[in-house]
Amino acid sequence: QQQVKQSPQSLIVQKGGISIINCAYENTAFDYFPWYQQFPGKGPALLIAIRPDVSEKKEGRFTISFNKSAKQFSLHIMDSQPGDSATYFCAAVYSGTYKYIFGTGTRLKVLA
Amino acid sequence: EAQVTQNPRYLITVTGKKLTVTCSQNMNHEYMSWYRQDPGLGLRQIYYSMNVEVTDKGDVPEGYKVSRKEKRNFPLILESPSPNQTSLYFCASSLTWGRGGGYTFGSGTRLTVV
Repeated sequence: QQQVKQSPQSLIVQKGGISIINCAYENTAFDYFPWYQQFPGKGPALLIAIRPDVSEKKEGRFTISFNKSAKQFSLHIMDSQPGDSATYFCAAVYSGTYKYIFGTGTRLKVLA
Repeated sequence: EAQVTQNPRYLITVTGKKLTVTCSQNMNHEYMSWYRQDPGLGLRQIYYSMNVEVTDKGDVPEGYKVSRKEKRNFPLILESPSPNQTSLYFCASSLTWGRGGGYTFGSGTRLTVV
């Protein structure tokens, strides 16, 4: 019940295309769902986050879609750019104890 | 600049030789945590601290110790390192353990135990 399943493990997208990364969780107690972006040699950085009372959140080219009934959420990167090449982690958080469960990460490569 | 600073960035040590990885944040954050990152396993929490003198185990605490004597510092101690502790370690902090804000991560410490 504590797992967050993230897919795919790796993703190659052409410049200008749409990158989609999916995550699924089991525990309905989770109430905060952030995405982190990690470049080589750096720590993860908060990219965008959503709470379960909304179904979608958009920030620039990055959108989170959230499906509460299916216990799934996904990151969409529109007009993907080579600078978006990084590893992306989803997470599910139980705010009562700030318990974070991270997905296993997706390595995205955007071809120029 | 608001940041989490870890030292050292790289460390090679031998089995059994005690080591400390330091972590300091300048954002007056209450919550601090240590994670290890391993290929295919993502980020796993080692220990966390909700405030000064308040620490607790995460998911993979065996072989590690922490202390939180000051709000800004949260060192990770390996009393007797073993090769299975070879990993990439991240310290992270958050303003509170509430629903907003997310983590600020340090740049990581790559540890090799031979």
